Amino acid sequence: AQSVTQLGSHVSVSEGALVLLRCNYSSSVPPYLFWYVQYPNQGLQLLLKYTSAATLVKGINGFEAEFKKSETSFHLTKPSAHMSDAAEYFCAVSVGGGFKTIFGAGTRLFVKA
Amino acid sequence: KAGVTQTPRYLIKTRGQQVTLSCSPISGHRSVSWYQQTPGQGLQFLFEYFSETQRNKGNFPGRFSGRQFSNSRSEMNVSTLELGDSALYLCASSLGQLSTDTQYFGPGTRLTVL
Repeated sequence: AQSVTQLGSHVSVSEGALVLLRCNYSSSVPPYLFWYVQYPNQGLQLLLKYTSAATLVKGINGFEAEFKKSETSFHLTKPSAHMSDAAEYFCAVSVGGGFKTIFGAGTRLFVKA
Repeated sequence: KAGVTQTPRYLIKTRGQQVTLSCSPISGHRSVSWYQQTPGQGLQFLFEYFSETQRNKGNFPGRFSGRQFSNSRSEMNVSTLELGDSALYLCASSLGQLSTDTQYFGPGTRLTVL
């Protein structure tokens, strides 16, 4: 069965510092992987997705993620954090046909001035 | 182009009642998925519809049901509400039926069961 594990329910960084949010997946078939961001009182917004093309995926707002099959990881990074990046981030894997998407528990990112 | 809209945004019900939530997808989108978000369980998949057919279903009891209309609008119904059904219910739409298609989420309906 497919699953997603996000390491760290809370991550705090200083403004301008590197952002690294960790995600490991488990899948018996090549997965489709996603990162979403959720701001307070809003729905989810897609940051980026891996669909078996390039292993380094660039997304919106300066975020990128690298698919590493050997490590079953899909970590999200951003070189320099902004205050506006403070939000909750979800890693997700899509299984089979359709949208039975499995989400990780989420990581709340805090950005300190 | 208007985004995914969900009505109502907030809802308060009591145990034993039933509730219907509505989702209007982005114009032209034919797939609609529903998710339940709670602090304890996180985001959990409820079901997905494409062209009025339910294609996938999550592990929820039969009290949770849904449907999709010919114009792609979707409704979900929860009968015999329980306290544990209090959650943010999110709807997402996508253009097609591929797993790689981007899902666009609505702002959600926050249901409180007293």
